[in-house]
Parts: sequence; structure tokens; C-alpha cells
Amino acid sequence: QLQLQESGLGLVKPSETLSLTCTVSGGSISSSSHYWGWIRQPPGKGLEWIGSIYYSGSTYYNASLKSRVTISADTSKNQFSLKLSSVAAADTAVYYCARQGSSYFDFDYWGQGTLVTVSS
Amino acid sequence: DIQMTQSPSSLSASVGDRVTITCRASQSISSYLNWYQQKPGKAPNLLIYLASNLQSGVPSRFSGSGFGTDFTLTISSLHPEDIATYYCQQSYSAPRTFGQGTKVEIK
Repeated sequence: QLQLQESGLGLVKPSETLSLTCTVSGGSISSSSHYWGWIRQPPGKGLEWIGSIYYSGSTYYNASLKSRVTISADTSKNQFSLKLSSVAAADTAVYYCARQGSSYFDFDYWGQGTLVTVSS
Repeated sequence: DIQMTQSPSSLSASVGDRVTITCRASQSISSYLNWYQQKPGKAPNLLIYLASNLQSGVPSRFSGSGFGTDFTLTISSLHPEDIATYYCQQSYSAPRTFGQGTKVEIK
């Protein structure tokens, strides 16, 4: 059974960089059948796709965040990571990692999510 | 960006009722529409992909339909465990935008 687990600091100061890692077990991020993505959800609000990475290393990002986002992968550890720079209070959210199909681009497996709060 | 608009924003129904949620895209997305269920404090769970395909393990009382710009999620008979917020998501083009959600409650 595929499992995804987010990890990283839960509190980040304004203007600093948010860093999260997603560890995948029960499957390989090197699969050509899937992308691996990040989605966030501010408290009490809806879902926002941040970006995704393909097994080849190709990335694509939400244009609204593109200037601040970097997604990378470490296939040796079966992990992929998110960095979001210059954070502000509006970046406070639960951050989810998820597997995304390469045919229909649906998110079929999700991590449990991790709350990141931006505050001084 | 493609905008996704769900209606209603919330609804209250009785156990056993038929429940319908609508999702409209700001432009045609063919069948590239997915539905998710999110229970409080939990990650979203994929219910329907490509507009009408039931994800493995999802009860058959859930169904989806639609093409182009207008889509529907139907729960044929509401169960107490279906209390959740439901989101549509277009996967036609990046950014993969979500609807604002529909909260389903028991009357």
C-alpha cells in the first residue's frame, strides 16, 4: 500500500523559506506513470495546487507561486521536497504531498498533511 | 487559469436522500474533472476521476457525470459517513484548479 508522509518545520518566520519533505513508501517516485505534487489548504479554506515533479525531474508550478517555489526529488531516498521562499502569513496552511496520475492528472494518494504556520 | 465553481456551497440532507453537487468550469475541460471527499482533519480522498470513473474502493452510491463545462457528483442515498466537504478539480490544464468546496451535512 502506497504511503506518503510529510515532514518539516511547523513554524516559519516571515520572509524565510519554508521547507518540507515527502517520504514515499510502498512505491517508487521513479515510476513513469506518476507525478508527485504539493497542494496546500489555508485554515478553513479550499485547496490550492502548488506544483508537481515528474520522475524525469521535470517540474511545473502554479504560476501564482512560481517565483517562490522549488520542487526537487531525491530518488535514492524516495523523497521529494518543497521549498517556498519569502513566506508571509498568507502562506500559513496545511501542506499535502500527493501522487498524481500522468494520464488524468488526478491525485490518488495523499499524505496526512502538515500544518505550517508563518509567524514571528 | 480555469475557474471552477461549485454549487451549492453547502447543503443539508436526510439520511437516504439523493444528493447532487454541481461543478462548472470557466471553459471546456473535456472530461478532465475529478471529485474528492474531505472529512474534517483529514486529507482529501479521490472519489471520481475523468468525470465518471469510480476510484477503486469507493462505494457505488457515488457517481459522476458531465462533459465540457458542466459536471455533477451524485450520492444516490446519503449515509451518515458521507458528511464531508466535496471538491471538484480540473486536470485539463495547469494550474490544476479546485472548486471552492461543497459542505454536506445531515438534516
